[in-house]
Amino acid sequence: SQTIHQWPATLVQPVGSPLSLECTVEGTSNPNLYWYRQAAGRGLQLLFYSVGIGQISSEVPQNLSASRPQDRQFILSSKKLLLSDSGFYLCAWERRWGLGSSYNEQFFGPGTRLTVL
Amino acid sequence: KNEVEQSPQNLTAQEGEFITINCSYSVGISALHWLQQHPGGGIVSLFMLSSGKKKHGRLIATINIQEKHSSLHITASHPRDSAVYICAVNGGGADGLTFGKGTHLIIQP
Repeated sequence: SQTIHQWPATLVQPVGSPLSLECTVEGTSNPNLYWYRQAAGRGLQLLFYSVGIGQISSEVPQNLSASRPQDRQFILSSKKLLLSDSGFYLCAWERRWGLGSSYNEQFFGPGTRLTVL
Repeated sequence: KNEVEQSPQNLTAQEGEFITINCSYSVGISALHWLQQHPGGGIVSLFMLSSGKKKHGRLIATINIQEKHSSLHITASHPRDSAVYICAVNGGGADGLTFGKGTHLIIQP
């Protein structure tokens, strides 16, 4: 069976500090991977998605970046955190059946709650 | 870009009541998801629909593709159903989900 891990679960960081959130998936190969954020009082928003190693697409301009160094590893980073980066960060994966197609069902990790002070 | 609207934003009901949460979207989709988010933040996928109706226990989800509308129903509601219910749509590519703002449901005993 497939599982998705995220760490850390909670994080409190000062403004201007760096950030690294990690997400790993087990039990599947070549998944589509996603980073979403839920800011306080707001809905979930797609930040980045990846269809393969080294392939990152961004939905919104922001202070964050993402990388996919391995097939089942997705990392969210920042060089200098802003107050507005606070929120709940969710990683998700989606099974991909073939080139150019997707299965659509997404599976979510447990999330990381980030507070920037 | 798809616009996803949910209603109501907040709903408080008594245990045993029949609950309906609505979702509408603006652009054609390949799939619609109903998600449940508990206070700790974790999200569970309840349903993925591309047409018709699905049922799982006391939960029923329907979708009308022509009207771009979906509903989530909870029969015989229970306090443990209290959560935020989120509608999300997928356009068919690999570019992720677009989410509604969620419906905060409280079921009182």
